[in-house]
Amino acid sequence: GEDVEQSLFLSVREGDSSVINCTYTDSSSTYLYWYKQEPGAGLQLLTYIFSNMDMKQDQRLTVLLNKKDKHLSLRIADTQTGDSAIYFCAEIAMDSSYKLIFGSGTRLLVRP
Amino acid sequence: NAGVTQTPKFRVLKTGQSMTLLCAQDMNHEYMYWYRQDPGMGLRLIHYSVGEGTTAKGEVPDGYNVSRLKKQNFLLGLESAAPSQTSVYFCGLPPGTSYEQYFGPGTRLTVT
Repeated sequence: GEDVEQSLFLSVREGDSSVINCTYTDSSSTYLYWYKQEPGAGLQLLTYIFSNMDMKQDQRLTVLLNKKDKHLSLRIADTQTGDSAIYFCAEIAMDSSYKLIFGSGTRLLVRP
Repeated sequence: NAGVTQTPKFRVLKTGQSMTLLCAQDMNHEYMYWYRQDPGMGLRLIHYSVGEGTTAKGEVPDGYNVSRLKKQNFLLGLESAAPSQTSVYFCGLPPGTSYEQYFGPGTRLTVT
């Protein structure tokens, strides 16, 4: 079945890099996504990667995809206090629904 | 995001009461989705629609009904609210050119 797993919590010092990890099960997913949710807010799409790519970089964000291990990671360089939020990994179901299947989220705490 | 609004933003219901949540879009998307988010979890799909007049069940449809009478509106109904339906409800629009979804601001529902 479809399942997406993430570690629950990550704490880093301001200015350090953060790496948030995710594993997924559906090898047919063509796209994988990272969303950010700040307290009391909705979900903001941060970035996504197509399944034929190994890496995608977008300013401070780097996404790495290991298809063999079904492992996805999000690296945030020079982490700032404003990056404190919950980060969700999601894969797309390649059936007629095109629904997103979410992990439970990783809470990132950035310490000054 | 992507011209999607949700009403209401907050609601408190007593067990057994009914209510309808409205998701409205000002774009021409065929697909619309209703998700719920519970503490410590990612979003789970309740129902979705692939076009006007169509609806389909997601992973957690029990206790909810939906309608898509007009293309721009997707309604989520709770006929007899239960405390287990206390959650934050998000409407999603999709898929984008890379199947990404954009979400409304959410409706926070408490059932006592």
